[in-house]
Amino acid sequence: GNSVTQMEGPVTLSEEAFLTINCTYTATGYPSLFWYVQYPGEGLQLLLKATKADDKGSNKGFEATYRKETTSFHLEKGSVQVSDSAVYFCALSERNTPLVFGKGTRLSVIA
Amino acid sequence: DVKVTQSSRYLVKRTGEKVFLECVQDMDHENMFWYRQDPGLGLRLIYFSYDVKMKEKGDIPEGYSVSREKKERFSLILESASTNQTSMYLCASSSAGQKLYEQYFGPGTRLTVT
Repeated sequence: GNSVTQMEGPVTLSEEAFLTINCTYTATGYPSLFWYVQYPGEGLQLLLKATKADDKGSNKGFEATYRKETTSFHLEKGSVQVSDSAVYFCALSERNTPLVFGKGTRLSVIA
Repeated sequence: DVKVTQSSRYLVKRTGEKVFLECVQDMDHENMFWYRQDPGLGLRLIYFSYDVKMKEKGDIPEGYSVSREKKERFSLILESASTNQTSMYLCASSSAGQKLYEQYFGPGTRLTVT
């Protein structure tokens, strides 16, 4: 079945550091890929998405590129802020089926 | 502002009790979902519904049931709560078709079963 693997956390960075959170997936076909973010005390919200190979999703300074050859969708941000502290979930959906989530990566940014 | 609300943020129940978790969305969405979130396990889908009175099992339906009598409301029922059902429960909704993946989540209910 489909699955998503993302890097173990927690990740702790200083403000303005570069962020990468790795995500790889296994799917039988051509899934759409997503990053969701969960801020403390809140539900998840969609951060960005990519629906086909080589697409780049971007939002709030975060970016991720759909790499079919490496089955990856790594999340990056050039300069993190304290307000980016949250749990980040990589997810996929294939042929309009419910999302399959990774286990989440907790990011803490310190001033 | 779109909204998914859950009936309680925190809930404490005893083993063997019947527990109802309510979720309401105001976006006229067709699809609704119940997940549980546990440390190290991420989000796991319990049940989902594509329409009123319809339900589909997710990955971990055992010990749970659901009810969707109205489009805006999706209830999760623990028939006889057990300590291994202590968890954070998240409800989500999405519109039909292409937007199935763009789910809007509620703030969650942290359930403790003692």
